[in-house]
Amino acid sequence: KAGVTQTPRYLIKTRGQQVTLSCSPISGHRSVSWYQQTPGQGLQFLFEYFSETQRNKGNFPGRFSGRQFSNSRSEMNVSTLELGDSALYLCASSLDPSGGARNEQFFGPGTRLTVL
Amino acid sequence: AQSVTQLGSHVSVSEGALVLLRCNYSSSVPPYLFWYVQYPNQGLQLLLKYTSAATLVKGINGFEAEFKKSETSFHLTKPSAHMSDAAEYFCAVENNTDKLIFGTGTRLQVFP
Repeated sequence: KAGVTQTPRYLIKTRGQQVTLSCSPISGHRSVSWYQQTPGQGLQFLFEYFSETQRNKGNFPGRFSGRQFSNSRSEMNVSTLELGDSALYLCASSLDPSGGARNEQFFGPGTRLTVL
Repeated sequence: AQSVTQLGSHVSVSEGALVLLRCNYSSSVPPYLFWYVQYPNQGLQLLLKYTSAATLVKGINGFEAEFKKSETSFHLTKPSAHMSDAAEYFCAVENNTDKLIFGTGTRLQVFP
């Protein structure tokens, strides 16, 4: 079974631009979560989607948005990029968004975004 | 609110030595706790998880962790370090809205 895939793996943008990152979950997984990883702030939760609905949201500005399609694939978008948005963006999928033992999240390799 | 604290951002051990990575949690309810490992340029891989079934949890690659409620700890150990264990390790707790809250990570170096 294929793992979580993220495209592109690397991206370079300039300030003010917008960017869209894509995540394909493991087949059969319906929950997709996004995280931002930076050296200064560590791993921070962005949002989670389940059945095309945003189920949870972290403390990020409205420039960060996402969506999920009927096939569970998810995209996140960052508008008006800032230098501080440079980070590794990780996507994780799970079978069931409920907590505990069922919430094992499988992570993709990430998209490394550099904002110049 | 749930949180985790990882003591020591860097840990260095010799090959064959004991690995001990520390994690303390804060939770108002019985927590679900996780350890993940991240190798360079890769995503996170689940090492093990505590879901209240047993206090000593065995994971992959010879790692294990013990849940100690009295100490609010969930330290990760491995009896004998291998060069391939060099990576960054993250402790995480699941909060009451089913989100994973990660610690700041501990980078493990293994010297020959």
